[in-house]
Amino acid sequence: DAKTTQPNSMESNEEEPVHLPCNHSTISGTDYIHWYRQLPSQGPEYVIHGLTSNVNNRMASLAIAEDRKSSTLILHRATLRDAAVYYCILLQGAQKLVFGQGTRLTINP
Amino acid sequence: DTEVTQTPKHLVMGMTNKKSLKCEQHMGHRAMYWYKQKAKKPPELMFVYSYEKLSINESVPSRFSPECPNSSLLNLHLHALQPEDSALYLCASSPGRVREKLFFGSGTQLSVL
Repeated sequence: DAKTTQPNSMESNEEEPVHLPCNHSTISGTDYIHWYRQLPSQGPEYVIHGLTSNVNNRMASLAIAEDRKSSTLILHRATLRDAAVYYCILLQGAQKLVFGQGTRLTINP
Repeated sequence: DTEVTQTPKHLVMGMTNKKSLKCEQHMGHRAMYWYKQKAKKPPELMFVYSYEKLSINESVPSRFSPECPNSSLLNLHLHALQPEDSALYLCASSPGRVREKLFFGSGTQLSVL
């Protein structure tokens, strides 16, 4: 399974942008980059995914490096409800979503 | 309805008991998944069903037995579990097409005494 590397934890302030990095140097051409987050006492929740181009949705933006060896999840204006563990995952094949260690994001009021 | 519903939410069982976890979705999804999550760890994939057929088994011990009776329902039958099997068991579903996002339930917190 292709690996991703994320910082164990990050901290940010409410109403400020947050940039969550992810390295995936062994990514193959057909791997999609998925991001999920897990709030306390809940199952993981889909955030965003992309292949080559930058992507935006109502929750976040995903910036993918030109060589695809890294990506950054951007929360434009963090709220306290964004405190969670964020997982960057390479989706290989149709259905094998394998979670890495993730980044625990703390938001300060 | 965009929910994956798991029952029960909590379960305590002895090592000689037989119990089952249930997962249901009504989104018309054709792929369903079981994950196991220990405290402070990421979810670990156990099984994947695609169009009611078992497509992935991540070398899970036989004391865990999955079943997919129809496209909306997924069960996990538990027998002779060990205390180290205590964990949060998460169910997920996806449309079944290539690289679609997964929808997760809130999980069943299992304690084995």
